Order: sequence, then structure tokens, then C-alpha cells
Amino acid sequence: GQNIDQPTEMTATEGAIVQINCTYQTSGFNGLFWYQQHAGEAPTFLSYNVLDGLEEKGRFSSFLSRSKGYSYLLLKELQMKDSASYLCAVIDSNYQLIWGAGTKLIIKP
Amino acid sequence: GAVVSQHPSWVICKSGTSVKIECRSLDFQATTMFWYRQFPKQSLMLMATSNEGSKATYEQGVEKDKFLINHASLTLSTLTVTSAHPEDSSFYICSAKQGAVDYEQYFGPGTRLTVT
Repeated sequence: GQNIDQPTEMTATEGAIVQINCTYQTSGFNGLFWYQQHAGEAPTFLSYNVLDGLEEKGRFSSFLSRSKGYSYLLLKELQMKDSASYLCAVIDSNYQLIWGAGTKLIIKP
Repeated sequence: GAVVSQHPSWVICKSGTSVKIECRSLDFQATTMFWYRQFPKQSLMLMATSNEGSKATYEQGVEKDKFLINHASLTLSTLTVTSAHPEDSSFYICSAKQGAVDYEQYFGPGTRLTVT
């Protein structure tokens, strides 16, 4: 079966750095997305990785290792508005998007 | 660019009635649209995938006679929840893809359905 694992919940302090991990076992791989979702709102796109390595975009960075079936989202200089759920999603060999359950990130002052 | 709208943003209806939710791609043509449902504190659950001009493909466990999906044009898809019951109360989100080579899904803002 296809499976994506993320921690259910994480807590971090404002101004700090947090890394949210995602591991996947899917039938094929055509890329990995990270989305941010605030409570009661639809997901918004953060990043897309298809090649190994680190993609940096402002305070957010995303890393991919295809051989390990692993990705992480790194958030720097955390702000209270970063409190949200972060969803990892993988495109499989049939170009279907497989969603993780999401990681709820709680930022404390 | 790549804006998707949904209407209504929230709706309250009585048990047994039907509700239609519209999903529109405002500035691009969406060859494929997706309908998701999300219960509180849970992740997105894909309900169905629809391609313009063809019947929707429903995920296992989703009743196609209850959740009617129509994708009549490249910019509009509708989801009709028929004979709604309180357990259908949920957050319904649509997303759209621009084309076969564009993997990113652009999400609408969601529709909060409450069935009383």
C-alpha cells in the first residue's frame, strides 16, 4: 500500500527553527509537495521537490532524498502566524496525489 | 494567477435537502478538478476526480449517487450533496490542475457545510 508518515503535532517557540519530517512509501514517485493549511481554510502551496536536495524559499526550505523516501520542511525565524497544519503530499506513478495526515505546528511566544 | 473560487463559502441546510457547491477556475482552464472532504482535525480526503466532459472517478467508499459531480466546462465543476444528513457536515474543498504536465493543484477556499 501507499503510505506517508508525518508527526501528528509539533510545538516550537517564536523565533526558533523547526523541521517537519515526512517519509513516504509509494508506487513510484513524481514529486513531493508541502502545503500549509490554517484552521478552517484551504491548503496553500509552499514547495515542490522532484530532485534530491534542498530548495530554499525565504524562511521556508524543503529537502528531498528520493533514495531514502524522505523529505523535510524547515521553517526558520518562526512567527505566530506559522501556526498551522503542514501537509506532505507525493505524486505517485499514476500521477495521483497521495496526502499525508498533516502535522499540526503550534508556535508559543 | 491560478485562482480557484468556490461558492458558497458556507451553507446550512436541513436534513434531506440537496446542496450544490460550485468550483471555478478563474484565470485558467482546468482539465482536471478534484473534490476533497475534510473533517475537523483530520487530513484531506479525496472524494473524486473529474475531467471536463467525462464522468467523475470516485474514490472507494464515496457514494456516487449521493455526491453528484458535474464538470461541464473547463472552468466549472459542481458537487451536489443529495439528501444531506448531519454526518455529511464537513469542509468541502475543490482543487484544479491546469494541464497534464502541471502537477500542482490549486485549491479553492473551501465550503463549510452544516446539515441540521
